[in-house]
Amino acid sequence: DAGVIQSPRHEVTEMGQEVTLRCKPISGHDYLFWYRQTMMRGLELLIYFNNNVPIDDSGMPEDRFSAKMPNASFSTLKIQPSEPRDSAVYFCASRPKTFGEVETQYFGPGTRLLVL
Amino acid sequence: AQKITQTQPGMFVQEKEAVTLDCTYDTSDQSYGLFWYKQPSSGEMIFLIYQGSYDEQNATEGRYSLNFQKARKSANLVISASQLGDSAMYFCAMSPPGGSYIPTFGRGTSLIVHP
Repeated sequence: DAGVIQSPRHEVTEMGQEVTLRCKPISGHDYLFWYRQTMMRGLELLIYFNNNVPIDDSGMPEDRFSAKMPNASFSTLKIQPSEPRDSAVYFCASRPKTFGEVETQYFGPGTRLLVL
Repeated sequence: AQKITQTQPGMFVQEKEAVTLDCTYDTSDQSYGLFWYKQPSSGEMIFLIYQGSYDEQNATEGRYSLNFQKARKSANLVISASQLGDSAMYFCAMSPPGGSYIPTFGRGTSLIVHP
């Protein structure tokens, strides 16, 4: 079975440009998460969706960041305009619905973003 | 608020030896979950093991075991018979109560296994 798929795997862009990161969760998973990983701040949860609905976006750093999940098999994280401090690895993860037991969160390979 | 602390920035172990990676946590909740993830140099995050706060027995998954000491608020990961492929970053994480299982991650510990 395919795991969580993220694209692109690497992105280099210039400050001020729009960046769109894409994620395809594992089929049948109800939850989708976007994380950001940096040396300074570690791994941070940005936003998560349940059944395509954003549940908690309190981790989104500012209005330049937005995330959508138009259907169960696709999500985007957009940064507009991008800034050098947005340089990080962005992970998408998905998880099946829990039924009172722990369900493993599966991570994608990540997108390495460098904003010059 | 919940907090995870991993005090060991780096650990070294000889191949085939056992190693313990430390994790302490802080929470006022009675119900919570504790996780360990592995991040090899390739970058992906791999789930290793889970412990619920009400589980009386320590969780085990193959060569991984979680040494859960609730009174001390510690959830150390023990890797037995280390292999070269165990070299990676290891992250301890905690989830809030209510079954939401959305972990908050520690800063990680780098493990290097020597041949």
